[in-house]
Amino acid sequence: GNSVTQMEGPVTLSEEAFLTINCTYTATGYPSLFWYVQYPGEGLQLLLKATKADDKGSNKGFEATYRKETTSFHLEKGSVQVSDSAVYFCALAMDSNYQLIWGAGTKLIIKP
Amino acid sequence: NAGVTQTPKFQVLKTGQSMTLQCAQDMNHEYMSWYRQDPGMGLRLIHYSVGAGITDQGEVPNGYNVSRSTTEDFPLRLLSAAPSQTSVYFCASSYSGRPYEQYFGPGTRLTVT
Repeated sequence: GNSVTQMEGPVTLSEEAFLTINCTYTATGYPSLFWYVQYPGEGLQLLLKATKADDKGSNKGFEATYRKETTSFHLEKGSVQVSDSAVYFCALAMDSNYQLIWGAGTKLIIKP
Repeated sequence: NAGVTQTPKFQVLKTGQSMTLQCAQDMNHEYMSWYRQDPGMGLRLIHYSVGAGITDQGEVPNGYNVSRSTTEDFPLRLLSAAPSQTSVYFCASSYSGRPYEQYFGPGTRLTVT
């Protein structure tokens, strides 16, 4: 079946460090891919998305590229801030239904 | 706009009790969903609705009921609470044209003892 695998956390970085959070997927067909972010004490919010191979989604300095050949959608940011501390979820969706398939989430901690 | 609102924020139940988690949205979204979030497991879909009067089961529907009598409201009922239902519950909504771009409420933390 369809699934999403994320790197386990927590990921701890210093402010201004480069961030990568790995996400790989298994899907029959061509899914759309998403990154959601959950700040402490809040609900999730959409961070970025990509709907076809080689698309790059970007928002708030974060980027992710839909790589069909490696079935990956890794999240990157060039210089993280303390305010980026949150849990990041990778997800996929197939057009055949209306359901998102979620990864387990990766907690990111940024130290000043 | 208030967005997606959920009540209560916290709840403690005893095994066997029933309760309703409330969810409302003021964005006129057609789609609404209920998820539970457990440590290390991401989000799991409980029930969802594509419009008023239409509901369907998600991945983990057992022990929960839903109804959708209006576009705005999508309550989740726990019929007979069990410790396995201890979790954080999120309601989400989206436009039918962008069903995967979901807006989430702040969550309800439920403990069943």
